[in-house]
Amino acid sequence: QSALTQPASVSGSPGQSITISCTGTSSDVGGYNYVSWYQQHPGKAPKLMIYDVSNRPSGVSNRFSGSKSGNTASLTISGLQAEDEADYYCSSYTSSSTLAVFGTGTKVTVL
Amino acid sequence: EVQLVESGGGLVQPGGSLRLSCAASGFTFSSYWMSWVRQAPGKGLEWVANIKQDGSEKYYVDSVKGRFTISRDNAKNSLYLQMNSLRAEDTAVYYCAREVEAGVVDYWGQGTLVTVSS
Repeated sequence: QSALTQPASVSGSPGQSITISCTGTSSDVGGYNYVSWYQQHPGKAPKLMIYDVSNRPSGVSNRFSGSKSGNTASLTISGLQAEDEADYYCSSYTSSSTLAVFGTGTKVTVL
Repeated sequence: EVQLVESGGGLVQPGGSLRLSCAASGFTFSSYWMSWVRQAPGKGLEWVANIKQDGSEKYYVDSVKGRFTISRDNAKNSLYLQMNSLRAEDTAVYYCAREVEAGVVDYWGQGTLVTVSS
């Protein structure tokens, strides 16, 4: 049950776009379209931002978008805002385990 | 409004036991897989266990197998996590979570802190 690999940190200026990667294997990210993304502000519970690779739940800004290529999924935040500063985690179904697996997490900083 | 409210966290000595509870409201509890997810201080998220709607299937992360037991009472709209033989590495905030599909949580509780220390 190894965690998916994410960059430790990503930063950008207000209004810019940033992309966070989430790398797994053919047993998880690459094999299924069951990748989700969560946003977590300090001291708060995570919030679902993207599910099934690219679907946004109701109420999530369309500045957030998801995609996948091979064994790597990506979350793009466009028009970066101060409120986007948070930790982001990817998650994927995996055939290697009976439970899903999270990514290592990425801290997004708005400069 | 969907609400998940955890309780039962606290300070416990290594080798001790603790039982976490999660009270669910605002949705048909018996229709959803439910999970416990934890987060050690300053660390990432980790799926601990989940349980099928009727309790017939339960899954655990390797590190808690044989020590933790997940259960539910659909009549009381409640989810539980019995934690035995606790270790320092079990110290974390434990979140109750509603799964809408494999690995996808759409609602989270506020979390309850479990600290294992002598």
